Amino acid sequence: AQSVTQLGSHVSVSEGALVLLRCNYSSSVPPYLFWYVQYPNQGLQLLLKYTTGATLVKGINGFEAEFKKSETSFHLTKPSAHMSDAAEYFCAVSANTGNQFYFGTGTSLTVIP
Amino acid sequence: NAGVTQTPKFQVLKTGQSMTLQCAQDMNHNSMYWYRQDPGMGLRLIYYSASEGTTDKGEVPNGYNVSRLNKREFSLRLESAAPSQTSVYFCASRDLLAGVQETQYFGPGTRLLVL
Repeated sequence: AQSVTQLGSHVSVSEGALVLLRCNYSSSVPPYLFWYVQYPNQGLQLLLKYTTGATLVKGINGFEAEFKKSETSFHLTKPSAHMSDAAEYFCAVSANTGNQFYFGTGTSLTVIP
Repeated sequence: NAGVTQTPKFQVLKTGQSMTLQCAQDMNHNSMYWYRQDPGMGLRLIYYSASEGTTDKGEVPNGYNVSRLNKREFSLRLESAAPSQTSVYFCASRDLLAGVQETQYFGPGTRLLVL
């Protein structure tokens, strides 16, 4: 079975500061990992995904995430927060068996001017 | 390409009323999904359809029915709405034939309020 844990339902950072959103997963098989962003009153958009190969994955809007198998983690980072980064962020896992995605409960990011 | 579209965008129902949420995708994806999103609970899968002609229950199917009308369309029906079904509903699609590493594409959501 797969599951996703996002530590911190709310994260606040100052504009220009490092953004770190945490995601840990549980999977009995090698996982595929995703980060999505949701702006207010919108659907989810893909930020980045890890499938195979390089463990540091770069996504849109300057975000990146690193897959660490030993820590079962896939944390999302951005070196310098921008006001437009304020949104809800979801981590998700898909396994190479079955058809389902498993989402974390989300982290709301606030950027303080 | 419109991607994934959902109608209506917003709906208010009284307890016991029925309604159908519509979803369509124009990306020729074989798999489609219905989720509900509630504060603090993330997205929970209601039903999914791996391919045309098949549907399966997800995590929270009670009180809902689905129909995979054709490859493009996947509808969600509430037969007798309850206040606990007040939520934001998202439809998604995915090209599962290309592999389980493929992402899901989401519609803009339907906001449902049941009084």
